[in-house]
Amino acid sequence: KAGVTQTPRYLIKTRGQQVTLSCSPISGHRSVSWYQQTPGQGLQFLFEYFSETQRNKGNFPGRFSGRQFSNSRSEMNVSTLELGDSALYLCASSIQGIEQYFGPGTRLTVT
Amino acid sequence: EDQVTQSPEALRLQEGESSSLNCSYTVSGLRGLFWYRQDPGKGPEFLFTLYSAGEEKEKERLKATLTKKESFLHITAPKPEDSATYLCAAGGSNYQLIWGAGTKLIIKP
Repeated sequence: KAGVTQTPRYLIKTRGQQVTLSCSPISGHRSVSWYQQTPGQGLQFLFEYFSETQRNKGNFPGRFSGRQFSNSRSEMNVSTLELGDSALYLCASSIQGIEQYFGPGTRLTVT
Repeated sequence: EDQVTQSPEALRLQEGESSSLNCSYTVSGLRGLFWYRQDPGKGPEFLFTLYSAGEEKEKERLKATLTKKESFLHITAPKPEDSATYLCAAGGSNYQLIWGAGTKLIIKP
C-alpha cells in the first residue's frame, strides 16, 4: 500500500510570495491533517480536512488556508510569505482522523 | 484544557542501557494514545496505538504501556540506530491529536 506523498519536497520562496503544497493520502483515508514543524517548536497543528470539509483548525493566521478534493488529496496555501514561515510542513492521513500516518514533509525556506 | 507532557526532554544512554520515556496526559474523551518516532528532517513514523489502561504493545526493542494518566515507552538494550525523537499524542474527543513536545533519545555506542 502506497504511503502518504507530499510535493514538492523542497521549496525556496521570497518574502511576500505565496506557495501551494500538495498532499496525497493513503488510499481509503478520508482525513488529512497539516502541521508546521520548526526547530524547538514541535508539531504545530494547522488544520484537518475530512471528506472535503475543514473539521478542525489550529491557531494560525488567515494567510494559511487549505482545501481537500473529492479524491481526498489536499492542498495547503500560504499567502504573503514571511521569514518565520520557513519550516517543515507535514501532512498526515487517517481513516477517521485519529491514527495518523505522515508523509515525508515539504521543507519550505523563505528568503 | 487537554494537555500532553513528555519527559525527559532529552535522554542520553549507552548502547545496551535500558530506560523509559514518559508521556503524561489530561485529555477528556480519550480516543487513543499514540507513539511516533521521528528522525531529523523526516516525517514522524507511526509506532503504536494504545486504547485502554493496562494495554501493552511491543515492537523489537520497544514496548509501550498505558495507565489512566500516563504512558511509558520502554526501550530495552537500545542500539545507536534507536536514536531519534520520540513523540506521543493523545486523541481528543473532536478527533484532533494533542501532541507532546517529544523526547530526544541519543544512544552512544
